[in-house]
Amino acid sequence: LAKTTQPISMDSYEGQEVNITCSHNNIATNDYITWYQQFPSQGPRFIIQGYKTKVTNEVASLFIPADRKSSTLSLPRVSLSDTAVYYCLVGDGKSTFGDGTTLTVKP
Amino acid sequence: GAVVSQHPSRVICKSGTSVKIECRSLDFQATTMFWYRQFPKQSLMLMATSNEGSKATYEQGVEKDKFLINHASLTLSTLTVTSAHPEDSSFYICSARDYQGANEKLFFGSGTQLSVL
Repeated sequence: LAKTTQPISMDSYEGQEVNITCSHNNIATNDYITWYQQFPSQGPRFIIQGYKTKVTNEVASLFIPADRKSSTLSLPRVSLSDTAVYYCLVGDGKSTFGDGTTLTVKP
Repeated sequence: GAVVSQHPSRVICKSGTSVKIECRSLDFQATTMFWYRQFPKQSLMLMATSNEGSKATYEQGVEKDKFLINHASLTLSTLTVTSAHPEDSSFYICSARDYQGANEKLFFGSGTQLSVL
């Protein structure tokens, strides 16, 4: 099962673009990469999922290089309500959650 | 996205009692659900995999007789914390696996805060 590594914390200001990178050097051929957002005392919420190259939806973009050993979640123009913990998960439901990245958005 | 309902959201109980937590997939069928516990400021720890119609698979170090899992239908899994003690106090979260296209996505319940007095 792929182990993931993310920065423990990041700070940003309202209106800025935020990029959070996750390393997963031993990703398997069939593994997808999924990002989740978690607020305190709530379950994680699905943000975006991808396998390779770039995926974009209404809230975020996900960039995955050709070797797939890392991925970057991009949040355009963050707001205070984006303050949360962000997790990347590689593989299926039995995969291990890493420590996540605590994003703090300041006014 | 798909919706997973978890109930109750919060429970306080006396030491020695049992507590049941329900996890329902509301708009899809889930043959597989997962149960996690999360301590403050820490990540989610997978406790067990719940499979519809068969026994759950527990992660190393998780007592199966302590944390009883039942997945009797394609939309409902339950976790029962038996003879709860203060050290069982934690935030418990479930997720359900939904296959959309060629890959799976996990959708999570809102969590249950268990406090054992």
